[in-house]
Amino acid sequence: SQQGEEDPQALSIQEGENATMNCSYKTSINNLQWYRQNSGRGLVHLILIRSNEREKHSGRLRVTLDTSKKSSSLLITASRAADTASYFCAWGNNDMRFGAGTRLTVKP
Amino acid sequence: DAGITQSPRHKVTETGTPVTLRCHQTENHRYMYWYRQDPGHGLRLIHYSYGVKDTDKGEVSDGYSVSRSKTEDFLLTLESATSSQTSVYFCAISESQTNQPQHFGDGTRLSIL
Repeated sequence: SQQGEEDPQALSIQEGENATMNCSYKTSINNLQWYRQNSGRGLVHLILIRSNEREKHSGRLRVTLDTSKKSSSLLITASRAADTASYFCAWGNNDMRFGAGTRLTVKP
Repeated sequence: DAGITQSPRHKVTETGTPVTLRCHQTENHRYMYWYRQDPGHGLRLIHYSYGVKDTDKGEVSDGYSVSRSKTEDFLLTLESATSSQTSVYFCAISESQTNQPQHFGDGTRLSIL
C-alpha cells in the first residue's frame, strides 16, 4: 500500500485484556500520531510521538516508535468495552497520510 | 469537542450534478482539511488550506476544488459528481503546522447514483 499498513486489520478481545496494534509507514517523519474513530463519528486524536522519542504514555495508552524500522505500535492496557473503535496511525508533513486502521472489538 | 460542523450530514445525488460540502469551525484555527474515507483505504487527503484564500492539493485532489473566503468556512466542491466519489467526507482543523493534531467533524456521507 502507498499509505503504509496497520495490523491486525481486526482484533477481538475480552474486557481487561491488552490490545496491541501495529503501524508501518514509508517516509521519514517528524512525528507519528494515533487516532480513534467510533462508528459513525469523526476521528479523535489520542497521542503524538515525536521522531526523537521511543516511547510515550498517556493513561492506559502506550505508544512506541522505531524510526529505523519505520514502525509504531499502540498498546491499550486493561481494555474496556468503551475502547471498541477503529484505530488509525497517521504521519506526514504537508500531506498527512493515514493507515487503513485496526478495528478493535472489546467484549464485556 | 472542537467546534466543527459539516453540512449536509447525508446527501444522495446523481452522476454529473455539482455538489458542495461545507465545513464550519468556531475555533479560529488556521489550517483546514478535507479527507475522504473509503473501506480499506483509511483517510486520504483531498485538499487543505493554510489560510484565507490559501489552499493546496492533497493525495486525491482530481475532480475536487475548494475555496476558503473566511477563516471559519472551507468548502469542497465536486463540479460534476461521479460514482467513484461516493464516500464519507471528513473535515478537520488544526491550530498550527499540518503535522500537528487535527480535530475532525463527524463527516458527510455522500452517495452518487
